[in-house]
Amino acid sequence: AQKVTQAQTEISVVEKEDVTLDCVYETRDTTYYLFWYKQPPSGELVFLIRRNSFDEQNEISGRYSWNFQKSTSSFNFTITASQVVDSAVYFCALSEDQGGSEKLVFGKGTKLTVNP
Amino acid sequence: EADIYQTPRYLVIGTGKKITLECSQTMGHDKMYWYQQDPGMELHLIHYSYGVNSTEKGDLSSESTVSRIRTEHFPLTLESARPSHTSQYLCASRRGVDYGYTFGSGTRLTVV
Repeated sequence: AQKVTQAQTEISVVEKEDVTLDCVYETRDTTYYLFWYKQPPSGELVFLIRRNSFDEQNEISGRYSWNFQKSTSSFNFTITASQVVDSAVYFCALSEDQGGSEKLVFGKGTKLTVNP
Repeated sequence: EADIYQTPRYLVIGTGKKITLECSQTMGHDKMYWYQQDPGMELHLIHYSYGVNSTEKGDLSSESTVSRIRTEHFPLTLESARPSHTSQYLCASRRGVDYGYTFGSGTRLTVV
C-alpha cells in the first residue's frame, strides 16, 4: 500500500531562519508522482509543486526548494529565509492510481509557525 | 480566479437538518473528490467520482452521500446532520494522473 509520512507534526522558527519539512513515501509503483500543498489559516489548499518518479532533479522556486531522492524515498521541502507569511500547514502527497481513481495519498501535514 | 467553487463557505446548522454542500468546477475534469478535514489537520477521503454517474466511497466511512449527474457538479448531502459531522469539507478535481488536485476553498460546517 502507498503511504506518506511527515514525521514533523509542528515546527516553530524565527523569521529569516531556514526550515526543512520532511516527507518520506512508500510505493511499489515504478511510476508515481509527488506533490506539496500549502494550507494557510484561511483553509484552502494551494498547490506548490509536482514531481514525477523519473525526474530526480532538485527544484528551486524563489525561497522554496525541493529535494527528491529515490534512494531514500524522500521528497523534502526547504524554505530559505522564512517569513511570517509562510506560516501554514504543509502537506506532502503521493499519486495513487489503483483502478483509475487517481487518488492522492496525503501525509498528515506539518504545521509551520514563523514568528517575527 | 478559482476554477472550482464550493458553497457555502461557512455553515452553522442544527442537529437533524438535511444539508447539501455544493461543489462545481469549470475545467471539465472527470475525476472529483471530497475530503473531510478535522482540526487535527489530517485529510480523509470520503467520496470520489470517475465521471458522470460514477461515485465511490473513500477511505473514511462517512454518513454523507454524493451524486454526479453532470461533469461539473459534485454535491455532497447529509440527510441528518449531527455534531460529529462538524468539520471542514474540501472538494477537489483532477485533470489526470500526472497532475495535482485543484481544491475548492472548503466549507466549514458546524452542527449544533
